[in-house]
Amino acid sequence: DVKVTQSSRYLVKRTGEKVFLECVQDMDHENMFWYRQDPGLGLRLIYFSYDVKMKEKGDIPEGYSVSREKKERFSLILESASTNQTSMYLCASSSDRGRSFGPGTRLTVL
Amino acid sequence: AQRVTQPEKLLSVFKGAPVELKCNYSYSGSPELFWYVQYSRQRLQLLLRHISRESIKGFTADLNKGETSFHLKKPFAQEEDSAMYYCALSGLELWSGGSNYKLTFGKGTLLTVNP
Repeated sequence: DVKVTQSSRYLVKRTGEKVFLECVQDMDHENMFWYRQDPGLGLRLIYFSYDVKMKEKGDIPEGYSVSREKKERFSLILESASTNQTSMYLCASSSDRGRSFGPGTRLTVL
Repeated sequence: AQRVTQPEKLLSVFKGAPVELKCNYSYSGSPELFWYVQYSRQRLQLLLRHISRESIKGFTADLNKGETSFHLKKPFAQEEDSAMYYCALSGLELWSGGSNYKLTFGKGTLLTVNP
């Protein structure tokens, strides 16, 4: 079973701070994803990566960037956090059409 | 474009009653459909996928291409089935770097099974 881990379960940051969310998977998957999960909106794709140093914008990339320097690690960066980025952030990886998800990071921006 | 619709945000049933969570999709190609479940304070996990044609925890889902539906059913709900359920569709999309499978989620249905 794929193990996807995220660096923090809970994070509280202030408006304007730079925020890093880290994700690591241990199954050598090419594809990795960042979603945000909001009540009533489901899961929305922020960015994904299909190979090291490769990235693609998802449906809601504004205000976010990503980094994939190693195959197992995919980082989500909020350059200047804002209150509307308060959310649950889910990382996932896959080698086929499904996804294996991490436990999530609940980010609160004050 | 891919779209997944779950018409019910909330669904409440009594233990032992049948339950059906509705899912409709829109996609012009050949989709793969999934149901994911998230129990309280647990990570999102795959419940079943249509190509497996399995029954997981008593749940089944049949892909109906004519009605573009993938409803999740269980004949006798249990209290431990209470959770958030997401329907998802995987379809091929073109991105700047080539083609890749995108997984589009519905907005979710919160199922509550009452004792």
